[in-house]
Amino acid sequence: AQSVTQPDIHITVSEGASLELRCNYSYGATPYLFWYVQSPGQGLQLLLKYFSGDTLVQGIKGFEAEFKRSQSSFNLRKPSVHWSDAAEYFCAVDLDSWGKLQFGAGTQVVVTP
Amino acid sequence: DGGITQSPKYLFRKEGQNVTLSCEQNLNHDAMYWYRQDPGQGLRLIYYSQIVNDFQKGDIAEGYSVSREKKESFPLTVTSAQKNPTAFYLCASSTPGTGLHTGELFFGEGSRLTVL
Repeated sequence: AQSVTQPDIHITVSEGASLELRCNYSYGATPYLFWYVQSPGQGLQLLLKYFSGDTLVQGIKGFEAEFKRSQSSFNLRKPSVHWSDAAEYFCAVDLDSWGKLQFGAGTQVVVTP
Repeated sequence: DGGITQSPKYLFRKEGQNVTLSCEQNLNHDAMYWYRQDPGQGLRLIYYSQIVNDFQKGDIAEGYSVSREKKESFPLTVTSAQKNPTAFYLCASSTPGTGLHTGELFFGEGSRLTVL
């Protein structure tokens, strides 16, 4: 079955440290790839997306993600986290650009002082 | 400002009652979606509509119904047939096809439904 996997349910990181969130997908073709962030009780906000071209994608809030076809991965990174980065992060894939996204289960990020 | 408005933000329902969640967008988007969010499960697609007067079932449509009579509006009814309706419901819209926002979903702030 086609799926999106975020292996880490919960990550704790110190403020100023680097952050990497993992995402793997199992689709035959390269899907459209997204990372969204959700603050508690809120909707989701798009951080970045990959459709084609350069495999390193820059997003908002200092985030970047790298698409690796050989590993079917689209990991999200930030060099130095801020307390405001504490949130839940979702990886998602879309097969046909029509917005019927398949979401991973999410990774909860906690930032400590 | 353009965006998506969901109401109510919080809703309580007794078992056996139907409830309708409102979703309105002024982004002029063709497509609209309803997702359900449960802890540890990510978001799951309930229904989607790519054009007015047309909608399709998503992965978990049982116990839900929708209508799309206007481009701006996509209400979701949670019926008494939904066995476990307590959840956070998110409405989204998009403008599929080519362009800067291809495939990008714009989300409302959600409605939390609790069945008592």
